[in-house]
Amino acid sequence: ETGVTQSPTHLIKTRGQQVTLRCSSQSGHNTVSWYQQALGQGPQFIFQYYREEENGRGNFPPRFSGLQFPNYSSELNVNALELDDSALYLCASSLERLNTEAFFGQGTRLTVV
Amino acid sequence: AQSVTQPDIHITVSEGASLELRCNYSYGATPYLFWYVQSPGQGLQLLLKYFSGDTLVQGIKGFEAEFKRSQSSFNLRKPSVHWSDAAEYFCAVAQREYGNKLVFGAGTILRVKS
Repeated sequence: ETGVTQSPTHLIKTRGQQVTLRCSSQSGHNTVSWYQQALGQGPQFIFQYYREEENGRGNFPPRFSGLQFPNYSSELNVNALELDDSALYLCASSLERLNTEAFFGQGTRLTVV
Repeated sequence: AQSVTQPDIHITVSEGASLELRCNYSYGATPYLFWYVQSPGQGLQLLLKYFSGDTLVQGIKGFEAEFKRSQSSFNLRKPSVHWSDAAEYFCAVAQREYGNKLVFGAGTILRVKS
């Protein structure tokens, strides 16, 4: 068991709404990354947080934003939802910023209608 | 730009048969390479990783992978497949200079027939 937990597991939102997804990192891990996995595709890197600061961002628009808290848990916020935002959102935590072994949570399945 | 190619979208093998899943990458520096497995509706589980050293790496569940720099490949193998291995498999490369972001291939769906 990885120890990375995400909530909620599923949710349905309407186009134009805003959504917040949550991730609790594995104990002792100070780095968290978020990935979007559309149906039938591999995960795509959204951004990474290290010690509460953004540390790298993929090719996603600014309406995708995040936070990391002092306890290293994290949130992914998406504003102005679009139908194409429907996907599995995965959170991964690492022991350190330069440690490449990432442990993934079970994901949050977001459906935008 | 870094990229990972998994040429096979689907593979079907008989239970007990051997398995090889192909992965090719495009990356300028020495790569950090990974194989992950994903069961339906689940997150990703790390099978094995290559950072440096011995090019043949052993992982969990009887999987192994071989890094071949000359071919830019990191193929996953298993000598005898079990029905429980049916899942989707992702190859990924990590970029240390970009905060260790993982670049994934599109995945290979493995079906096991009895």
